[in-house]
Amino acid sequence: NAGVTQTPKFQVLKTGQSMTLQCAQDMNHEYMSWYRQDPGMGLRLIHYSVGAGITDQGEVPNGYNVSRSTTEDFPLRLLSAAPSQTSVYFCASSYSGTGDTDTQYFGPGTRLTVL
Amino acid sequence: DAKTTQPPSMDCAEGRAANLPCNHSTISGNEYVYWYRQIHSQGPQYIIHGLKNNETNEMASLIITEDRKSSTLILPHATLRDTAVYYCIVRVEAAGNKLTFGGGTRVLVKP
Repeated sequence: NAGVTQTPKFQVLKTGQSMTLQCAQDMNHEYMSWYRQDPGMGLRLIHYSVGAGITDQGEVPNGYNVSRSTTEDFPLRLLSAAPSQTSVYFCASSYSGTGDTDTQYFGPGTRLTVL
Repeated sequence: DAKTTQPPSMDCAEGRAANLPCNHSTISGNEYVYWYRQIHSQGPQYIIHGLKNNETNEMASLIITEDRKSSTLILPHATLRDTAVYYCIVRVEAAGNKLTFGGGTRVLVKP
């Protein structure tokens, strides 16, 4: 298994541009989520999904959209990039959000700079 | 989810045990204690979790006090590769996939 993959690894945008960060997992996990990590800070939840066709907002959803058309993919869209969105973005997946075995697997991250 | 408090940093000698404390005095009865770590620039990595009993796996041991208000993550023989930020997270069993990360403890393992 490749686990959780993210593309691109690095991206530079100009203010106002839009783009999509890709996330895919091949572990047949129902749960997927997006986090951002600013320098020296912990991760903050942006959006999450409990299954195909179902998404919900996390702690910092403004400026981002998500969709979950398949179990494998969970893209994150920046509609109009702003310098405040400069951050490292991590995607994560887990088999189930219930029970005591909900280990989350994180991708390698996408480093985004907005000028 | 209950808030956690961890020391911001600590050093450890290579080959020695590293004991990482976490305070979660407002933890509820159905909340689990999870530990993740993040090695520089990488995605977080799951280490261990527990509810009431002490737990051990190939990476670490988790000691939870009887009143569950605090816990300690033990890395039995720290190596240089264990240098990372360690996050203690408390979450309910049915929280879905939402993890609330605090500041964590930055552990530096020295030769």
